[in-house]
Amino acid sequence: EVQLQQSGAELVKPGASVKLSCKTSGYTFSNYYMSWLKQMPGQNIEWIGNIYGGNGGTGYNQKFKGKATLTVDKSSSTAYMDLSSLTSEDSAVYFCARGALNYGSYVMDAWGQGASVTVSS
Amino acid sequence: DIQMTQSPASLSASLEEIVTITCKASQGIDDYLSWYQQKPGKSPQLLIYDATSLADGVPSRFSGSRSGTQYSLKISRPQVDDSGIYYCLQSYSTPYTFGAGTKLELK
Repeated sequence: EVQLQQSGAELVKPGASVKLSCKTSGYTFSNYYMSWLKQMPGQNIEWIGNIYGGNGGTGYNQKFKGKATLTVDKSSSTAYMDLSSLTSEDSAVYFCARGALNYGSYVMDAWGQGASVTVSS
Repeated sequence: DIQMTQSPASLSASLEEIVTITCKASQGIDDYLSWYQQKPGKSPQLLIYDATSLADGVPSRFSGSRSGTQYSLKISRPQVDDSGIYYCLQSYSTPYTFGAGTKLELK
């Protein structure tokens, strides 16, 4: 069974950074992408970027360049996202989602449970 | 960026109806379109990929179609468990973009 287990909720101060994790199991990590997404309360879902598990190659939404940094640790089949210089606009739920190309198009076919980030002094 | 205009924003339907949700892309996306269902407090789940293909384990009452640059998700004879928010996603070009969502309530 494919599983994506995200790290827990974070309460961080403005200006600080936070590192979220997404530990995977049940599939070959290096054969898939991992996307990260942002969902603010009651709002749309935004794609932050993705990273390929095989070689760590990344693609970012221009809106999040400089804000988010994606990395992977193949040895533990875990993906990470660093968020820097946090403001209240970064308060949201962040999801990781497995990205697969074997469907034809890029499809996010398995998702983590989400991690809440609250930025507050 | 490709804009995905999703409608309606919300709808209430009975269990005997056929529910249709649409997404119109701001340009051609070559059927690189998937649909997701999200329940409160949960992560989105894949329903349809490549515009018309049913994801594993998804009931056959869900179906997808295309007419020009407009894509549709249809739910035939929805069940109470189908309540939630539905999103379309284009993955034709980055940044991948979602529709604004449709909140479905079953009555």
